[in-house]
Amino acid sequence: GAGVSQSPRYKVAKRGQDVALRCDPISGHVSLFWYQQALGQGPEFLTYFQNEAQLDKSGLPSDRFFAERPEGSVSTLKIQRTQQEDSAVYLCASSSPTGGLGEQYFGPGTRLTVT
Amino acid sequence: GDSVTQMEGPVTLSEEAFLTINCTYTATGYPSLFWYVQYPGEGLQLLLKATKADDKGSNKGFEATYRKETTSFHLEKGSVQVSDSAVYFCALTLSGSARQLTFGSGTQLTVLP
Repeated sequence: GAGVSQSPRYKVAKRGQDVALRCDPISGHVSLFWYQQALGQGPEFLTYFQNEAQLDKSGLPSDRFFAERPEGSVSTLKIQRTQQEDSAVYLCASSSPTGGLGEQYFGPGTRLTVT
Repeated sequence: GDSVTQMEGPVTLSEEAFLTINCTYTATGYPSLFWYVQYPGEGLQLLLKATKADDKGSNKGFEATYRKETTSFHLEKGSVQVSDSAVYFCALTLSGSARQLTFGSGTQLTVLP
């Protein structure tokens, strides 16, 4: 079946613009995670959904970052008034309720460049 | 807080060489440990895992043993292939409501023919 998909794959934004990044998880996966990966670093947790409920948003770096998953499937990560330090790859991952702890399926990521 | 420390790369080996990538962790609880791999142009994928002390995870010829006494989870392979060239990430997760992964910084491996 299809894996996790993300769009767009690449996004260039001028500083101050708003951006929206989309994630389509694997069908049936109730858990969805967003991570931020800076160049040369490992992914860092941003936020977690179980179905439509956002259970943990402790990793969001500022109130400019907002995520939603209104119908418990597709999720959108929105960044308002982008800054240069927001340049990174944004990864989405999903996991199955029957999968093992920590077994997550990752999308290819969206590379955001803020100029 | 919880953290993972990996040996710095990049690592360059010849085909059929022995591979070790060191990983140590700090955790407030009793973590499960993972190695994820990112092949060129692809998304992160789970390579292997171990959920309790002395467990050995293995897959595709790679192995790692959960060592609680040394808080380590080193990745090994006896004979690497060109196709193993990728970035390898050590990670942990703790039981809890979020179950997010905490990753190390990654180790780039290049295997030369």
